[in-house]
Amino acid sequence: QKEVEQNSGPLSVPEGAIASLNCTYSDRGSQSFFWYRQYSGKSPELIMFIYSNGDKEDGRFTAQLNKASQYVSLLIRDSQPSDSATYLCAVNMDGNNRLAFGKGNQVVVIP
Amino acid sequence: GAVVSQHPSWVICKSGTSVKIECRSLDFQATTMFWYRQFPKQSLMLMATSNEGSKATYEQGVEKDKFLINHASLTLSTLTVTSAHPEDSSFYICSAGRLDEQYFGPGTRLTVT
Repeated sequence: QKEVEQNSGPLSVPEGAIASLNCTYSDRGSQSFFWYRQYSGKSPELIMFIYSNGDKEDGRFTAQLNKASQYVSLLIRDSQPSDSATYLCAVNMDGNNRLAFGKGNQVVVIP
Repeated sequence: GAVVSQHPSWVICKSGTSVKIECRSLDFQATTMFWYRQFPKQSLMLMATSNEGSKATYEQGVEKDKFLINHASLTLSTLTVTSAHPEDSSFYICSAGRLDEQYFGPGTRLTVT
């Protein structure tokens, strides 16, 4: 059973602050890691992907990957009300393109 | 680029009938498409992987005779929910693979009455 865990409950952050989301995964063979944003009633949209250990920055988003500890995180800097959504962590399974998703973390940015 | 469409966006059907959902990659060719199901306040669950010209690979616990998948071309995959029941009511989302990334369609909300 390939598991992706996102255990934090809803996260409320004031506008302009940093939102930090964490995700752990069970499959050591996973090579690709993704963060998706999903607005209520909509399908997920890809925010970032990361393949190598370390940090990857894209605008206000930074993904961090630590394969030894089997976790991947997402930082959202200068949070905006439009960032209010559910963020899904996804990990490829068995080294192929099949993705396992975590349950998601709801982020609420308070103006 | 990387636009994926789904049709219909929502559908209501009666119990026992079949419903077909189309997934198209509009601006790229996708050798692999994926079908997911999402129940309210839950995450996406992969149902099956669809490869152009071959039979779909279903995840454990997904009934292949109930959820028929056809991947007729590099830009079109269809999911048919046969003999639908109220418990099949869900948000069905397809994605198309390009390199290592997946791009999601807008989803189809199915309600079975």
